[in-house]
Amino acid sequence: DAGITQSPRHKVTETGTPVTLRCHQTENHRYMYWYRQDPGHGLRLIHYSYGVKDTDKGEVSDGYSVSRSKTEDFLLTLESATSSQTSVYFCATGKGGANSYGYTFGSGTRLTVV
Amino acid sequence: DQQVKQNSPSLSVQEGRISILNCDYTNSMFDYFLWYKKYPAEGPTFLISISSIKDKNEDGRFTVFLNKSAKHLSLHIVPSQPGDSAVYFCAAKGQETSGSRLTFGEGTQLTVNP
Repeated sequence: DAGITQSPRHKVTETGTPVTLRCHQTENHRYMYWYRQDPGHGLRLIHYSYGVKDTDKGEVSDGYSVSRSKTEDFLLTLESATSSQTSVYFCATGKGGANSYGYTFGSGTRLTVV
Repeated sequence: DQQVKQNSPSLSVQEGRISILNCDYTNSMFDYFLWYKKYPAEGPTFLISISSIKDKNEDGRFTVFLNKSAKHLSLHIVPSQPGDSAVYFCAAKGQETSGSRLTFGEGTQLTVNP
């Protein structure tokens, strides 16, 4: 059973429709993150969570919302998808704490907004 | 404001030679640095890290060097192997950063030719 599972792996959606991406972890990590990967920009943080119901914005949060109702699941919602949100989205988890700064990443969701 | 920059989008080396990937940062509050490796259609995976109190960390064929005065770090791979062909991301954590957030660079595509 994979430590971090992202679903769906691929999605094509139309402009203006809502989209929800799911991240599920079995690592029992406190921290969870959503990043997007775009050519020339690397990985940019969208939102993150430092506990159940505790979330905060990252550097590119406009147009996105998140929810974390339990430790294992972190949902990313595009309220009204736009073509600029076409990207590869990665979920990551982290234990946090001293000397535990590395992340574990999921395999990604490729989202295309047409 | 790109706080972590990888100025070389791509690098090509011959098998058996040294690969040197570079990363520059602007935030003097960064206190921990990491390198991640990413294959196509997979999530990034942790490779090696270094604390700001050190100037070198070695793990097998991989060595990371940190020059704090120049705000520069580099990843050396010796000897390079075709299986090392991937995108490499540099990442940094700030002392003041809540949620153990990492800031990533744009990535460098390494190609190791047989």
